[in-house]
Amino acid sequence: AQTVTQSQPEMSVQEAETVTLSCTYDTSESDYYLFWYKQPPSRQMILVIRQEAYKQQNATENRFSVNFQKAAKSFSLKISDSQLGDAAMYFCAYRWNNNNDMRFGAGTRLTVKP
Amino acid sequence: NAGVMQNPRHLVRRRGQEARLRCSPMKGHSHVYWYRQLPEEGLKFMVYLQKENIIDESGMPKERFSAEFPKEGPSILRIQQVVRGDSAAYFCASQISAGGTYEQYFGPGTRLTVT
Repeated sequence: AQTVTQSQPEMSVQEAETVTLSCTYDTSESDYYLFWYKQPPSRQMILVIRQEAYKQQNATENRFSVNFQKAAKSFSLKISDSQLGDAAMYFCAYRWNNNNDMRFGAGTRLTVKP
Repeated sequence: NAGVMQNPRHLVRRRGQEARLRCSPMKGHSHVYWYRQLPEEGLKFMVYLQKENIIDESGMPKERFSAEFPKEGPSILRIQQVVRGDSAAYFCASQISAGGTYEQYFGPGTRLTVT
């Protein structure tokens, strides 16, 4: 079974600082995708970043980057230069290439302090 | 190109009533997924549909829940005889084609409250 674990229910960061959100997953597959979604109070699910398992290079999107450790089955999200608008729930998700659904972690609530 | 549309955004039902949630996928997308999010939890997969076909309903409760995606019109998630435990946010996502390569685009969700 594929499961996704986010061990930090809540995190806080000072504006302009850097924060790392943790995610681990369990799978026996070798071909899969990993995602980080942001859910602000509006509840809209917004894709932040995506990583293909076959790529060794860590994905980067502006201030967002991941540390993908395939052997350790770890997929952490680093947010640099945190902004007030980054405050939200962040969900890590896993999707096997041939599967129909995405498996989500329980989420981490990120607070950004001014 | 409009995004994934869901309506209503908020739905209140009394116990025992029926709830109908609608999802219009992005233009050109023929694959729809429904997810449920309970308070303080992540999204849980319910059902995957293509036009006129249910492909995978392994995450959907066997009773009271049904889903359809007709040839014309939106996808419908129907919950009969709602109970308080059905209170949740229901999200749909659409995808242009089958397979994990393609991104799922999420709608804004429907928040169902059962009183």
